[in-house]
Amino acid sequence: EAQVTQNPRYLITVTGKKLTVTCSQNMNHEYMSWYRQDPGLGLRQIYYSMNVEVTDKGDVPEGYKVSRKEKRNFPLILESPSPNQTSLYFCASSLSYSGTDTQYFGPGTRLTVL
Amino acid sequence: AQKVTQAQTEISVVEKEDVTLDCVYETRDTTYYLFWYKQPPSGELVFLIRRNSFDEQNEISGRYSWNFQKSTSSFNFTITASQVVDSAVYFCALSGRTGGFKTIFGAGTRLFVKA
Repeated sequence: EAQVTQNPRYLITVTGKKLTVTCSQNMNHEYMSWYRQDPGLGLRQIYYSMNVEVTDKGDVPEGYKVSRKEKRNFPLILESPSPNQTSLYFCASSLSYSGTDTQYFGPGTRLTVL
Repeated sequence: AQKVTQAQTEISVVEKEDVTLDCVYETRDTTYYLFWYKQPPSGELVFLIRRNSFDEQNEISGRYSWNFQKSTSSFNFTITASQVVDSAVYFCALSGRTGGFKTIFGAGTRLFVKA
């Protein structure tokens, strides 16, 4: 089944404790992206990757890191989480780096930083 | 700059009513793409439709229809004979060359359909 998976689905952590949210897709998509969803703000892009070893900042990259060592995986790293990073996070992938392709979203990761 | 505005924060209707969700966008691109996504209470994001800027034909899919009007920069979404299962947050989104084809989302419209 074609899908985007994220882990964990729920995470409660404390300020400053490094964490990684994994994202994996099995569709051989080139383009992957991370979004955060906050009430009243819709989804905002954090980072995106056009292909392996190619990443770039989205609209709200501060406090986050990403890597793309393999085509299928695109982990999101919070080196020192803070309470303002409490949010719902979505990973997405699409066939190519083009607005023509539909993005497929993972199920979301709800993160709470205390 | 690109922008998507969904002015309706919440809409409440009674089952079987028709409801239209508004989406107004701003872009300087001549080639761009518009999307609608549904987020049910379970939280996942479900793709509904993609439309490119050169195709202004309206589209109907069952009870769903979309009205794309470039003259007013709008891409409105209508649900006919709404059902309780239509209760969700609906997002309109825009992708264009400006900003490197990043997808810009509106703030979303929460639709409540009461039985």
